[in-house]
Amino acid sequence: GAGVSQSPSNKVTEKGKDVELRCDPISGHTALYWYRQRLGQGLEFLIYFQGNSAPDKSGLPSDRFSAERTGESVSTLTIQRTQQEDSAVYLCASSLPLGPAPDTYEQYFGPGTRLTVT
Amino acid sequence: GIQVEQSPPDLILQEGANSTLRCNFSDSVNNLQWFHQNPWGQLINLFYIPSGTKQNGRLSATTVATERYSLLYISSSQTTDSGVYFCAVELDSNYQLIWGAGTKLIIKP
Repeated sequence: GAGVSQSPSNKVTEKGKDVELRCDPISGHTALYWYRQRLGQGLEFLIYFQGNSAPDKSGLPSDRFSAERTGESVSTLTIQRTQQEDSAVYLCASSLPLGPAPDTYEQYFGPGTRLTVT
Repeated sequence: GIQVEQSPPDLILQEGANSTLRCNFSDSVNNLQWFHQNPWGQLINLFYIPSGTKQNGRLSATTVATERYSLLYISSSQTTDSGVYFCAVELDSNYQLIWGAGTKLIIKP
């Protein structure tokens, strides 16, 4: 079956513009995560969606960042008034719901969107 | 907050060599995962290993939770093993992963 897909794969934008990044999770995965990866660094958690529960937005770095998800499908991450420090790869992952078997938690990652703010 | 430290930061080996990557964490964790990010950026989950030892082909991992470290072993390295290896920990029952900075592995033919 299809894996997690993200679009666009690359995005170059001017400082101050808004951008929207898209993530299509694996069908049946109710959990969806957004991460940011700066060059040469590990991943930073941004936001988590689980089914119809309120999302955990604790990782969003500022109010310029927001994300939405409709049901258990596509999610969009929006960055308003982009700044140069927003340049990074934005990764999306999805997983089955947390359950008694720990391996059901395994996150499957998309290829990422490389954002460059000039 | 919890610190996740990986060593070495960089490792260059000849094909066929064995290697050991280390992950230290500063607090008790609910779980620990190892990931491989290939040179094209794709992240693959290697092991979900809160404690004990697991093996998958040429790769194996051991986590000693009481001593707050995990080791990833790669035997008979191949050029396709190149990339960055990340350790990520999960606190308590929180789904959030805290990531180390990674070990960049280059396998030369």
